[in-house]
Amino acid sequence: GEDVEQSLFLSVREGDSSVINCTYTDSSSTYLYWYKQEPGAGLQLLTYIFSNMDMKQDQRLTVLLNKKDKHLSLRIADTQTGDSAIYFCAESPLKAAGNKLTFGGGTRVLVKP
Amino acid sequence: GAGVSQTPSNKVTEKGKYVELRCDPISGHTALYWYRQSLGQGPEFLIYFQGTGAADDSGLPNDRFFAVRPEGSVSTLKIQRTERGDSAMYLCASSLNPSGVGQETQYFGPGTRLLVL
Repeated sequence: GEDVEQSLFLSVREGDSSVINCTYTDSSSTYLYWYKQEPGAGLQLLTYIFSNMDMKQDQRLTVLLNKKDKHLSLRIADTQTGDSAIYFCAESPLKAAGNKLTFGGGTRVLVKP
Repeated sequence: GAGVSQTPSNKVTEKGKYVELRCDPISGHTALYWYRQSLGQGPEFLIYFQGTGAADDSGLPNDRFFAVRPEGSVSTLKIQRTERGDSAMYLCASSLNPSGVGQETQYFGPGTRLLVL
């Protein structure tokens, strides 16, 4: 079945760039997503990339997709304390009816002042 | 506009009891999803509705779990004979059109945190 892996934890200083990595196994993925979850809250969609793209930029966020290696990354420029949260990558396999998402375990990002 | 809403935000129940969790999707969204998130893990798919019908219920863990969406809008996730292992955050999401390019993005509600004692 599908599997999505992420590193558990990332610590970064305020103002630096953060890079969160994700690997997935399903080569038929159509969309790949990044969601942010703050303590006790639901998931906030940050950005997504279609599988025929290799890069997408949205303000401070840059998504890179290496389809050959099945590797996805999210770069946050000028990281702020408000960026401290858990970040989930998720894939939507082509064959899945209705676009159900498979999530990684999440990367906890801690931004130090 | 209003996002996805879920009630209650927290539910504490005793082992063996029955619970209902409610989800109000974004108005006009045809697709509705339920996910379960255990502590320290990512969300796991439970069930997906397209309109009133459950198009994919492959994620429901057993027959104690059931969900309905009788009018194609609000959905209720029902758990019978709750067990301590059912304790988790239950998340609902909706999307405009799961088959439409650019319309399949899922927007999540704040979740219902269920604790079974």
